[in-house]
Amino acid sequence: GQNIDQPTEMTATEGAIVQINCTYQTSGFNGLFWYQQHAGEAPTFLSYNVLDGLEEKGRFSSFLSRSKGYSYLLLKELQMKDSASYLCAAMDSNYQLIWGAGTKLIIKP
Amino acid sequence: GAVVSQHPSWVICKSGTSVKIECRSLDFQATTMFWYRQFPKQSLMLMATSNEGSKATYEQGVEKDKFLINHASLTLSTLTVTSAHPEDSSFYICSASLAGQDAGELFFGEGSRLTVL
Repeated sequence: GQNIDQPTEMTATEGAIVQINCTYQTSGFNGLFWYQQHAGEAPTFLSYNVLDGLEEKGRFSSFLSRSKGYSYLLLKELQMKDSASYLCAAMDSNYQLIWGAGTKLIIKP
Repeated sequence: GAVVSQHPSWVICKSGTSVKIECRSLDFQATTMFWYRQFPKQSLMLMATSNEGSKATYEQGVEKDKFLINHASLTLSTLTVTSAHPEDSSFYICSASLAGQDAGELFFGEGSRLTVL
């Protein structure tokens, strides 16, 4: 079956760095997405990886290893506004997104 | 970036009534829109894929007669929850992707929170 695993909750300190891991098993693979979702709001797009390696976009970076079925989202210089849920989603061979349950990130001053 | 607008943001209705939620792409044409449902502390669950000018494709377990989807134009898709019951209370979110975009980046509406009394 198809499956996405990511930690349920993580806590980090303002100004620090945090890495949110995601492992996936899908029928075929057409890319890995990360979305940010604040409580009560719709998700917003953060990143897309389809090739192995690290993609950097400001304070956020995303990494993909297709052979390991593994991705991570790296958040640097954490700010209080980064407190949110981070959703990992893999696109399968039918271009359907398989969603993880999300990782709730709590930022402490 | 592309903008998707959803209306209403909040709706409270009595059990047995029907509720319509609109999803509009404001600055682009969306041949395909997606409808999701999200229960508290759970991930997004795809309900159906809405295609302009044709019938929606429903995911397994989603009742097509209960959740009516109409995609009459390239900028508007509607979801009607018919004969709503308390268990239908949830956060409903629509999304769309730009036609021809390889990345398949989704643009989400603001979401509609439905409470059925």
